[in-house]
Amino acid sequence: KAGVTQTPRYLIKTRGQQVTLSCSPISGHRSVSWYQQTPGQGLQFLFEYFSETQRNKGNFPGRFSGRQFSNSRSEMNVSTLELGDSALYLCASSPGLPHTGELFFGEGSRLTVL
Amino acid sequence: QKEVEQNSGPLSVPEGAIASLNCTYSDRGSQSFFWYRQYSGKSPELIMFIYSNGDKEDGRFTAQLNKASQYVSLLIRDSQPSDSATYLCAVTSAAGNKLTFGGGTRVLVKP
Repeated sequence: KAGVTQTPRYLIKTRGQQVTLSCSPISGHRSVSWYQQTPGQGLQFLFEYFSETQRNKGNFPGRFSGRQFSNSRSEMNVSTLELGDSALYLCASSPGLPHTGELFFGEGSRLTVL
Repeated sequence: QKEVEQNSGPLSVPEGAIASLNCTYSDRGSQSFFWYRQYSGKSPELIMFIYSNGDKEDGRFTAQLNKASQYVSLLIRDSQPSDSATYLCAVTSAAGNKLTFGGGTRVLVKP
């Protein structure tokens, strides 16, 4: 069974640009959540989606947005990039609702903002 | 006060010894508790979960939960160099609608 797939794995952007990250969950999983991981802040919750509906959102500015498609694939977008957005962005899928705790993480998309 | 707190470490443990990791949480009504392991450069993976007070054993891992004192711990028996990783504690909210991770404890097992 294939795991959670995230693309791209690495990307470099400059301040002011925008970026879109993609996540394909494990087959049969309808829940997807997104996290930002940095050395200083640890794992910070961004969004949670279930059946195309955003169920929860973390404390991030409106520049961070996401969506989920009918096939459960999800994308997140960050507009007007700032240096502080440099991080590892992790997507996790879950057989139930993500906040129940059983998460299967992808390898992440490492974003560097110059 | 952070919602979920862990000592960042590193926790240095000789091979074969017991590693003891602690996690405290602020939401008294939290119901579900998870331990994730993250190797350097890799993504987190779930290794244990516990819902009830007491101990839960899985191989060399034991999770311990004390809701009255609001802490959950993870014991790694017979520690191996392959156990060297960061261990993340995660706790669901009392309302059951939020999962919060601690900052993680880095464990180093020395041969």
